[in-house]
Formats: sequence, C-alpha cells, structure tokens
Amino acid sequence: GENVEQHPSTLSVQEGDSAVIKCTYSDSASNYFPWYKQELGKGPQLIIDIRSNVGEKKDQRIAVTLNKTAKHFSLHITETQPEDSAVYFCAATLNTGFQKLVFGTGTRLLVSP
Amino acid sequence: EPEVTQTPSHQVTQMGQEVILRCVPISNHLYFYWYRQILGQKVEFLVSFYNNEISEKSEIFDDQFSVERPDGSNFTLKIRSTKLEDSAMYFCASSEAGEQFFGPGTRLTVL
Repeated sequence: GENVEQHPSTLSVQEGDSAVIKCTYSDSASNYFPWYKQELGKGPQLIIDIRSNVGEKKDQRIAVTLNKTAKHFSLHITETQPEDSAVYFCAATLNTGFQKLVFGTGTRLLVSP
Repeated sequence: EPEVTQTPSHQVTQMGQEVILRCVPISNHLYFYWYRQILGQKVEFLVSFYNNEISEKSEIFDDQFSVERPDGSNFTLKIRSTKLEDSAMYFCASSEAGEQFFGPGTRLTVL
C-alpha cells in the first residue's frame, strides 16, 4: 500500500521568510496530493492540492510542486505570517472512486514575529 | 460556507462501554469517511462509506467498529466495547468530487 514520508517534523522561521515542507510517496499510481493545515484542537483544513497531470499549482502565498518521476511533492509558503503557525500534513491517494487519504507524519511550523 | 459538523466535541467513557460518534457531512456530498488521530501522531484512515455501504476499511476497523447513515443526514461511528487504545481524536470527512473536507473532530477518552 501507499506510504508517505514527510520532512521536516518541525520548522521554525522568522516572519516574512519562506517555508518548504517535503513529502515522498511510494505508490507510483497515486495521482492526487492534498495538503492540510491543522490548528490546535481543530480538524485538518484543506489548503491546496495538486493532481498528477500538473507539476505546480499556486494560490497566493502557497504553492505546491510535484515531481512524479522522483515521487515527491513539496509545499512552499512565502512571506510567512504568525497565523501560518500550525501542523501541516501532506497526503496521497489514488483518487479514483474517492479512495482513502494516506497522510504524512506532519510538520509543525512555527513562525516567529 | 458548508462544513462538516461533529458531536460531541469530547466524549469520556469507561473501558468496555459503547460509544457513538456523530457527524453531519456536507449536504450534497456522497462519500463519507472516518479517520482517527492518536495524540501527536498522523491522521489514519478507518473507513469509507458510499451508497449505504462500506467501500473500504483499514486493519484498525475491526469487528468492534461499525458505521451507519441512519437518516440521510447523519453519519455515525460506533465502537461497541471501547479499549484504552481507542483514545484518540476521531475525524469525519466527506467529499463530492475528490477533495475531502474534515470536521472538527471528537476527542474520545477511554478510562
């Protein structure tokens, strides 16, 4: 089955810096890769996703890149703000028939003012 | 904006007791899921549900677990005889076109 690795486990940046979180997946058949932000005591919130037919997707300060050959994808946050502080999870799935999401282990991002 | 809701937010129970966790998915969604997250760990898939039947279940989802959509709006997870290791956050999710939207979770504490 699918296995998703995520690095780093913690990431501390100064406000205004960029942050990059990386994930690798094992199943080459996976074709849908969402990113979730989880704030303390809340459920995961979908922030951006990418499908395997594109290499990059951007939404304001957030971007995701996908390298299908290497089976890795990354989340990029530019101009970080303190409210970006949260745990970020990547996930992968074979999005045919709405399959289960397999999550990475999470990255705790701390943005200091 | 439509959202997934879950009740209760926190459930405390004694080991061996039955618990029912409730979810109201987004109204036009057809696919429903339960995930759990043990404190400090990643989110793990439990079960998916479509057209009034289970689509897929994980190894965690043993005979002690069951799901039901009793009335066309609620989606429930039942644990028949809770164990200490069932203590976790339980998240319901729903989807229409692939993207899964999560509820705020129920924290289950088994004593």
